Amino acid sequence: GAVVSQHPSWVICKSGTSVKIECRSLDFQATTMFWYRQFPKQSLMLMATSNEGSKATYEQGVEKDKFLINHASLTLSTLTVTSAHPEDSSFYICSASDTAWRTGRGYTFGSGTRLTVV
Amino acid sequence: QKEVEQNSGPLSVPEGAIASLNCTYSDRGSQSFFWYRQYSGKSPELIMFIYSNGDKEDGRFTAQLNKASQYVSLLIRDSQPSDSATYLCAVKNLEGAQKLVFGQGTRLTINP
Repeated sequence: GAVVSQHPSWVICKSGTSVKIECRSLDFQATTMFWYRQFPKQSLMLMATSNEGSKATYEQGVEKDKFLINHASLTLSTLTVTSAHPEDSSFYICSASDTAWRTGRGYTFGSGTRLTVV
Repeated sequence: QKEVEQNSGPLSVPEGAIASLNCTYSDRGSQSFFWYRQYSGKSPELIMFIYSNGDKEDGRFTAQLNKASQYVSLLIRDSQPSDSATYLCAVKNLEGAQKLVFGQGTRLTINP
């Protein structure tokens, strides 16, 4: 159980275009999803927290107009990188949580999306 | 002071030995503690979670939590080369705040 699917696994896009990344919880209802970014040899940086049906909460320094997050259902959240630039190239990872966080089942990570902007 | 601190390593351990990974945290209100393993180029994988003082064992892995001293550790017994990875400590701080705060990770290498 507790499977989180993330697509695509990797994407290359041209500078100025937008890219959408999907995160799905396959066998549980994800009341909350988290989006992280990780640069090489660095730890995870939380970008935003999204709760189903409400606006995402962005971490300080993360541009909400550039990184659009939608969490319209209990099993799907999307991150859209708008007007991507080479400095947005990174490893983007989602994580999903249900209400049973004490079981540890929450906070399961997707497989990640490696974004390269050229 | 960082909220969650780990020695970045690299930590080198001979195969078959016990690998000991440590993590300290600053918020005394922290409630849940997680250890993730991350292989290079992959996303983190949950190894263990603990929220009560003491030890929690799962196979070759033992998590130890000491809330008074604000540290959590992970022991890996009978270390295998496949255990070579970066280990991330994560802490859940507040009852209402669901996000995890991650340490910078410790890179572990098991030498055959």
